[in-house]
Amino acid sequence: QQQVKQSPQSLIVQKGGISIINCAYENTAFDYFPWYQQFPGKGPALLIAIRPDVSEKKEGRFTISFNKSAKQFSLHIMDSQPGDSTTYFCAASQGAQKLVFGQGTRLTINP
Amino acid sequence: GAVVSQHPSWVICKSGTSVKIECRSLDFQATTMFWYRQFPKQSLMLMATSNEGSKATYEQGVEKDKFLINHASLTLSTLTVTSAHPEDSSFYICSASLDATNEKLFFGSGTQLSVL
Repeated sequence: QQQVKQSPQSLIVQKGGISIINCAYENTAFDYFPWYQQFPGKGPALLIAIRPDVSEKKEGRFTISFNKSAKQFSLHIMDSQPGDSTTYFCAASQGAQKLVFGQGTRLTINP
Repeated sequence: GAVVSQHPSWVICKSGTSVKIECRSLDFQATTMFWYRQFPKQSLMLMATSNEGSKATYEQGVEKDKFLINHASLTLSTLTVTSAHPEDSSFYICSASLDATNEKLFFGSGTQLSVL
């Protein structure tokens, strides 16, 4: 019940396209859902996050869509660029408790 | 944004030796620090949670005698891998929390440990 399932494992998108990564969770007590971007040999960096009281949050080219009833949330990267090519992790937590990470998605943007 | 400094960024050691990794919150006081382990192309696995001045809470399956965590101040936590073996080779990452929520959680740049 503590798992967060992330898909796809890898994704290839053409430059300028929309990249979509999905996550699903079971624990309905989760109340914080961040997305992290991790470049090789570096720690994760917070990209965008959402709480379950809203269904969508947008920051620049990045949008989180949240479906509370389906227990799913997704990251959309608009106008994807080669510089977006790296690994993305979704995560979830309840209150101040530990983050539970998804399995990661390796995104490749073809020029 | 807040900065979490992790040192060293990489270390190579001989089997049987101990290695210490430092995690510092440079511009804020961290009430809680977390230590993760990440194998190549895999997700982050939480090893332990440490609060300043108290014993760390280890996740199930993590050997507390092997992975010693000290959180002596609000800006410094250390992870010591004792008697390291090749299977301990991994990418170790710390994170520090600015407040009691996870919204102000910042990650270090990681330490690549290679045990020969």
